[in-house]
Amino acid sequence: KAGVTQTPRYLIKTRGQQVTLSCSPISGHRSVSWYQQTPGQGLQFLFEYFSETQRNKGNFPGRFSGRQFSNSRSEMNVSTLELGDSALYLCASSGGFVAEAFFGQGTRLTVV
Amino acid sequence: QKEVEQDPGPLSVPEGAIVSLNCTYSNSAFQYFMWYRQYSRKGPELLMYTYSSGNKEDGRFTAQVDKSSKYISLFIRDSQPSDSATYLCAMSFVNQAGTALIFGKGTTLSVSS
Repeated sequence: KAGVTQTPRYLIKTRGQQVTLSCSPISGHRSVSWYQQTPGQGLQFLFEYFSETQRNKGNFPGRFSGRQFSNSRSEMNVSTLELGDSALYLCASSGGFVAEAFFGQGTRLTVV
Repeated sequence: QKEVEQDPGPLSVPEGAIVSLNCTYSNSAFQYFMWYRQYSRKGPELLMYTYSSGNKEDGRFTAQVDKSSKYISLFIRDSQPSDSATYLCAMSFVNQAGTALIFGKGTTLSVSS
């Protein structure tokens, strides 16, 4: 069974630009969550999508948005990038059981 | 005060040692407690989870939850160099509306041969 796939693995963007990250969940999983990981703050919850609807949202500014498609694949968008957005962005998929969330390898975003 | 506190370490032990990793939390509503392992440049890997209080064992790993003290632990027996990684605790509510996890900042473990 294939795991969670995130693309691209690495990105370098300039301050002020926008970026879109992609996540393909484990087959059959309908829940996709996004997290930001930084050395200072650790792993922080961004939002969760289930059946194309945002079900939960963390405490991040509106520049961070996402969506989910009918095949459960999800994208995350960050607009007007800031230097502080440099982080590892992780996607997790779940079959519905809160304690079993499986993570992808992440997308390392560097904003210069 | 953060909801979940975890000593970042680093923790260095010799091969074969018993390792104890711990987290404390402040929200008594947490019901699910998870441990993840993260190798450098990789995503977190789910090791095990526990519901409410008690112990759970899986091979060399044992997870303990003490809800009265708001304290959880992960014990690793017969530690191996391949166990060298960052260990993250995570917690969640029994929440019909979703699967948001609250993480500790992680403890870096190094096992030397």
